Amino acid sequence: QVQLVQSGADVKKPGASVRISCKASGYTFTTYGISWLRQAPGQGPEWMGWISPYNGNTHYAQNLQDRITMTTDTSTSTTYMELRSLRSDDTAVYYCARQDFVTIFGVVKPHDGLDIWGQGTMVTVSS
Amino acid sequence: EIVMTQSPATLSVSPGERATLSCRASQSIISNLAWYQQKPGQAPRLLIYGASTRATDIPARFSGRGSGTEFTLTITSLQSEDFAVYYCHHYNNWPLTFGGGTKVEIK
Repeated sequence: QVQLVQSGADVKKPGASVRISCKASGYTFTTYGISWLRQAPGQGPEWMGWISPYNGNTHYAQNLQDRITMTTDTSTSTTYMELRSLRSDDTAVYYCARQDFVTIFGVVKPHDGLDIWGQGTMVTVSS
Repeated sequence: EIVMTQSPATLSVSPGERATLSCRASQSIISNLAWYQQKPGQAPRLLIYGASTRATDIPARFSGRGSGTEFTLTITSLQSEDFAVYYCHHYNNWPLTFGGGTKVEIK
């Protein structure tokens, strides 16, 4: 079946980096993009960015673009999200989700909702 | 960035009754809107996309309407498994944004 499986929970100290993986199965990996989102306790989801496994194109949230990098490994159908210079307010559950896209006159745009989600990865930032 | 505003924050409904949730976008998003259901400890689940198209395996008691800036999600005859938090989300352009959520609780 179509699924996204994420790496396990992690605890980091302020200033450190975290790298989370998201392995896709059950569909052709390069035909859909992957969005990364996070959800702090008691809050709604916050979109962090998107990557195309087809060509590595990315779109990042402006408030994170200096600290975030998304990559893909098509040989293993895995997407990675690295967040650097962690702070206590980065403590959250991090999700990957499948995000379709369209290309109109060379511009990549999101298309349809986030239809498949990973199980979530809890990241705790604490000294 | 497009701001998504949901109302009410909490909706108290008896089982079997209808619930209507609202979502407003700060500018037109045409029909590029999705609704999600989230239960404690779980990832959000896609219910509706394209403002009114039910996702795979979503029961017919869930329906979405609207276009432009005003949208609604209606749940007819609430079942026990429908008590959860619901989020709207636009995908009209980058960045994607979500509403603050509506908690549907048992009255």
